[in-house]
Amino acid sequence: ETGVTQTPRHLVMGMTNKKSLKCEQHLGHNAMYWYKQSAKKPLELMFVYSLEERVENNSVPSRFSPECPNSSHLFLHLHTLQPEDSALYLCASSQGRGLETQYFGPGTRLLVL
Amino acid sequence: LAKTTQPISMDSYEGQEVNITCSHNNIATNDYITWYQQFPSQGPRFIIQGYKTKVTNEVASLFIPADRKSSTLSLPRVSLSDTAVYYCLVGDPNDYKLSFGAGTTVTVRA
Repeated sequence: ETGVTQTPRHLVMGMTNKKSLKCEQHLGHNAMYWYKQSAKKPLELMFVYSLEERVENNSVPSRFSPECPNSSHLFLHLHTLQPEDSALYLCASSQGRGLETQYFGPGTRLLVL
Repeated sequence: LAKTTQPISMDSYEGQEVNITCSHNNIATNDYITWYQQFPSQGPRFIIQGYKTKVTNEVASLFIPADRKSSTLSLPRVSLSDTAVYYCLVGDPNDYKLSFGAGTTVTVRA
């Protein structure tokens, strides 16, 4: 248990669906992150929020829309996804910037049909 | 971000010491070296971080030579539960971007 929870743990959706991934951290951290991990590929940083402001957006398609309503919660809204978006989506948090230890959640395994 | 190179995979047996070397020839003065561990279908977990010389914690040791162009993660007396992917990351603490490479898949056998 890392103090970062993600729901749902598994999600199957069609290409026309809209769904949201939720992340919550109970560590009092200031920064939260979304990563994507496709099969046999390195983790890809998608978004970074610091004090609820987006500070990094790594050229992610607009069908992925992040939301950070407060420093404890992070959402990833999904719409009109493609099968190649199937992956493990990981949320992480840290007290400060990058090389401060990041605490990862268990991830959401997403399958797009 | 400094690029890192590490072996794709390593095999070991229970009770042995495992040493994983990571090359980072273009490491910058402000960069730190951090190692993470990831089990299948889980998020990575921080193991250890260092800037130079040697760092040791209850899980591992990190050896960094004076030129800092490489580093070695040492896992003492591994067990089956140490089977995982180990990532070497190099970056500036002031940068939000963590760049995970392919990592080293360590397989521990009985």
